[in-house]
Amino acid sequence: AQSVAQPEDQVNVAEGNPLTVKCTYSVSGNPYLFWYVQYPNRGLQFLLKYITGDNLVKGSYGFEAEFNKSQTSFHLKKPSALVSDSALYFCAVRLRDDKIIFGKGTRLHILP
Amino acid sequence: DGGITQSPKYLFRKEGQNVTLSCEQNLNHDAMYWYRQDPGQGLRLIYYSQIVNDFQKGDIAEGYSVSREKKESFPLTVTSAQKNPTAFYLCASSIHSFEGGNTEAFFGQGTRLTVV
Repeated sequence: AQSVAQPEDQVNVAEGNPLTVKCTYSVSGNPYLFWYVQYPNRGLQFLLKYITGDNLVKGSYGFEAEFNKSQTSFHLKKPSALVSDSALYFCAVRLRDDKIIFGKGTRLHILP
Repeated sequence: DGGITQSPKYLFRKEGQNVTLSCEQNLNHDAMYWYRQDPGQGLRLIYYSQIVNDFQKGDIAEGYSVSREKKESFPLTVTSAQKNPTAFYLCASSIHSFEGGNTEAFFGQGTRLTVV
């Protein structure tokens, strides 16, 4: 079955430290991978997407994601965390029939 | 402004009543989606539509119905058969994957449905 997994329900990081939010996927063919962020009682905002051939993708608000085909991972990263980065983060994969599957989300807490 | 609009933001209904959630987009997107969000369960796909007058069941379609009579509109009806309808509902739209497979979806601000 095609799926997306986010193994951590919550990640705590001190402000100024680097952060990583993990995502692994299981899809056939080349994956269409995305990261979204959600603030309380709001819809999802697009952060970045995998572009074929780019193992490091840069996105909004200083976020980037590292694609690793052998490990089927697409981890979200940021070199220096801000308190305002605290939110709920979702990894997603888009299938060939337009179906979009999301992971369960990871709550990121940036500690001042 | 281009975007996707869900209404209302908050909705209260009595148990046993059907209720319809509105989703409208002016982005000229062919594909539209409905998701349900519950704490700790992420986003679960209810229905999606790739084109007008066509739609497919997602992972949790039981107790829900949709229609796609116009490109810009994709209303979701929560029927009395849905056993636990209280949740946050999100609508999204995107262009087709064959036009740009890695094109992101755009989301509305959500409707919080409470059934009492």
